[in-house]
Amino acid sequence: QVQLQESGPGLVKPSETLSLTCAVSGFSISNVHYWGWIRQPPGKGLEWIGAIHHSGSTNYNPSLKSRVTISGDTSKNYFSLKLSSVTAADTAIYYCARHYYDSGTRTVDIWGQGTMVTVSS
Amino acid sequence: DIQMTQSPSSLSASVGDRVTITCRASQSISRYLNWYQQKPGKAPKLLIYAASNLQSGVPSRFSGSGSGTEFTLTIASLQPEDFATYHCQQSVSVPWTFGQGTKVEIK
Repeated sequence: QVQLQESGPGLVKPSETLSLTCAVSGFSISNVHYWGWIRQPPGKGLEWIGAIHHSGSTNYNPSLKSRVTISGDTSKNYFSLKLSSVTAADTAIYYCARHYYDSGTRTVDIWGQGTMVTVSS
Repeated sequence: DIQMTQSPSSLSASVGDRVTITCRASQSISRYLNWYQQKPGKAPKLLIYAASNLQSGVPSRFSGSGSGTEFTLTIASLQPEDFATYHCQQSVSVPWTFGQGTKVEIK
């Protein structure tokens, strides 16, 4: 059974860097697919942040691209998110998720439970 | 970015009702359309992928249809556990984008 678990600080100060890690169990991130991050501000909709391919290539949301870095550690089977220069607008639940790719199919099939990150001084 | 618009934003329905939610894309996305169900305090759960394929373990009362720019999610007979928010999402191009969500409430 594939499971994803986010971890990281729940409170980040404005202008600092938000750092989260997603530990993956039951599946190797070096195998196939993309591994990425999606966020949801309180009471609002879902926003795709970006993803990293098992080969190491990345795709980012252009609205966040200048501030986002997604990286992976295949030896420890986890991937990470860094979002720099955060503001209150970055307050959200952050989900890590497997992005499943197959012929004619691109979907987010497995989600972590999510972690709430608040940006406040 | 491709804009995804769901309608309605919310609806009230009774157990046993047939419910239909529509999702429209601002440009053609072929069949790269997914549907998710989200309950309060929980992560979204994949229901339908590639417009009409039922994810393993999802009850058959859920179905999806459409292609191009217009898609529908249908719940054939609403059950108590189906009261939730439903999101559509396109995956034809980066950035992947979601609809604003449709909240299904108890009448």
